[in-house]
Amino acid sequence: DAGVIQSPRHEVTEMGQEVTLRCKPISGHDYLFWYRQTMMRGLELLIYFNNNVPIDDSGMPEDRFSAKMPNASFSTLKIQPSEPRDSAVYFCASSLLSTGRDTQYFGPGTRLTVL
Amino acid sequence: AQSVTQLDSHVSVSEGTPVLLRCNYSSSYSPSLFWYVQHPNKGLQLLLKYTSAATLVKGINGFEAEFKKSETSFHLTKPSAHMSDAAEYFCVVSDPASGGSYIPTFGRGTSLIVHP
Repeated sequence: DAGVIQSPRHEVTEMGQEVTLRCKPISGHDYLFWYRQTMMRGLELLIYFNNNVPIDDSGMPEDRFSAKMPNASFSTLKIQPSEPRDSAVYFCASSLLSTGRDTQYFGPGTRLTVL
Repeated sequence: AQSVTQLDSHVSVSEGTPVLLRCNYSSSYSPSLFWYVQHPNKGLQLLLKYTSAATLVKGINGFEAEFKKSETSFHLTKPSAHMSDAAEYFCVVSDPASGGSYIPTFGRGTSLIVHP
């Protein structure tokens, strides 16, 4: 299995531009999670999906952030417009279940820099 | 509500000496506990997990952790550090949130530095 795939690995953009991050979860996993990692705040859960349906988006920082999962093999996290404070590493993770005992498999992350 | 505290932001050891990374948790239920490792510029990888079976859990690369309910701790240990162990380590607690879903809470991480 190729694991969780994220693209791009690095993104540099200017303030005000739209940014789209992409994720392909492991085949057969029903849950998909988006995280943001910064030095100041550590690892934060932004949103998670179950069977392509958003379950909890309370971690999404503001309306500039949106996430979709149009099918079981693809999800996007969009920031529009982007701001310098959005600079972070964004991780996508997937798990087979979410009973609390399940391993999350993380992608390599997308390092976003907003100038 | 659940929470997790990693007591050290940085731990420095010499190669071949024991490793101890400390984690305390708070949970209203019987939680599941995890340790993940993150090597530089990589995603997180599961080291080991406790899910109410044996309290001493063995993981990959010689790491193990012991669940101590009375102390609300889940410390990570390894008898002998290797240079390749240098990484960031995250302790994670997961218990049922409102509505029955399980949302993991990550600690702030401990950076393990291994000196030759």
